Amino acid sequence: VHLVQSGAEVKKPGASLKVSCKASGYNFIAYYLHWVRQAPGQGLEWMGWINPNSGGTDYAQKFQGRVSMTRDTSTDTAYMELNSLTSDDTAIYHCARTNGGSTYGWFDSWGQGTLVTVSS
Amino acid sequence: SYELTQPPSVSVSPGQTATITCSGDKLGEKYVYWYQQKPGHLPVLVIYQGDNRPSGIPERFSGSNSGNTATLTISGTQTLDEAEYYCQAWDTSTVVFGGGTELSVL
Repeated sequence: VHLVQSGAEVKKPGASLKVSCKASGYNFIAYYLHWVRQAPGQGLEWMGWINPNSGGTDYAQKFQGRVSMTRDTSTDTAYMELNSLTSDDTAIYHCARTNGGSTYGWFDSWGQGTLVTVSS
Repeated sequence: SYELTQPPSVSVSPGQTATITCSGDKLGEKYVYWYQQKPGHLPVLVIYQGDNRPSGIPERFSGSNSGNTATLTISGTQTLDEAEYYCQAWDTSTVVFGGGTELSVL
């Protein structure tokens, strides 16, 4: 199982961000993909998940209205878009697969992380 | 929204038992997962669904969950166990992480 993310980004406040996560080594549509971020020196923060099979999503309340998770089953790639960036969005963003469904399961594989810096 | 609370830090001497707690409303009714994260590394699952260890995780790691508190226990703690530990649970269809506990072995 491999999850390979797009490279580091520097964004200005107010801009939008789109990070990709290309999956390989398993059946892409069979496992939920999540996005988890970690600000410098801080803990893990869950942002939401996408069901690659249906395209259904669920987002953490904190990010609703500002985040969008999509996928492309032709390339086994998931995307996370975050709008209206502020300096508080400076973090490493990870995609991660869960071994379960929409109400249970654990993270069994992680992308390498994408460092996003928001600075004027 | 659902919250999981962990102590910010726990210290233990080598060879002793480390106990890390994770508290949440009726947490005992949920599955709890524990991750170990060392600086500059990705999180690694150490306990899943109660007291199950993934392959490759030493037997000294164990878990329990009852009432409002889940506990990660590391018996015979080694210096290589120094890391940040996170609990995780599901609240209906959303994932919740605890704030993390820094385990110092000294």
